[in-house]
Amino acid sequence: SQTIHQWPATLVQPVGSPLSLECTVEGTSNPNLYWYRQAAGRGLQLLFYSVGIGQISSEVPQNLSASRPQDRQFILSSKKLLLSDSGFYLCAWSKERGIGGYTFGSGTRLTVV
Amino acid sequence: SQQGEEDPQALSIQEGENATMNCSYKTSINNLQWYRQNSGRGLVHLILIRSNEREKHSGRLRVTLDTSKKSSSLLITASRAADTASYFCATSITGGGNKLTFGTGTQLKVEL
Repeated sequence: SQTIHQWPATLVQPVGSPLSLECTVEGTSNPNLYWYRQAAGRGLQLLFYSVGIGQISSEVPQNLSASRPQDRQFILSSKKLLLSDSGFYLCAWSKERGIGGYTFGSGTRLTVV
Repeated sequence: SQQGEEDPQALSIQEGENATMNCSYKTSINNLQWYRQNSGRGLVHLILIRSNEREKHSGRLRVTLDTSKKSSSLLITASRAADTASYFCATSITGGGNKLTFGTGTQLKVEL
């Protein structure tokens, strides 16, 4: 069965520090991968998506970047965090082709102080 | 900007009652999906309805889609306290691949 792992669950980081959030998927090949951010009490904002290794599309210009070094690994990074980067970060995957629902990870609560 | 807007923003009902949530969107879609999120957790996919479908059922869930009005509704019948969560609609727009745009969500509280 397919599973998605996302870590850490919570993170408190000072302003100006770097960030690395990791997401891995098991039990499937060539997934589409997504990073979303959810502000408190709000909907989800798509940050990045990837249809293959090294293929990253950015939806919102910002202080973050994403990489996909392996087929089932998706990393969200920042060189210098801003206060506005605080939020709930969610990784998700969907099947390579066709119409389908997403499977989400359990999320990372990031607080920048 | 948000493609989908849910209505109401919050809903409180008694156990056993039905809960209805509505979603409106702006552009042509391939499909519309509903997700559930328990507080502080990831989202769970509930149901998907394609643009050429008008109604779909899954257990106690019933989803309708009206593409002429660009709207959808999610009905949860015989609600339970365990249904307490936030519910989001998400749309896959025409020509957008499988990228989903999420609405702002409805917070449902089911009281005993």
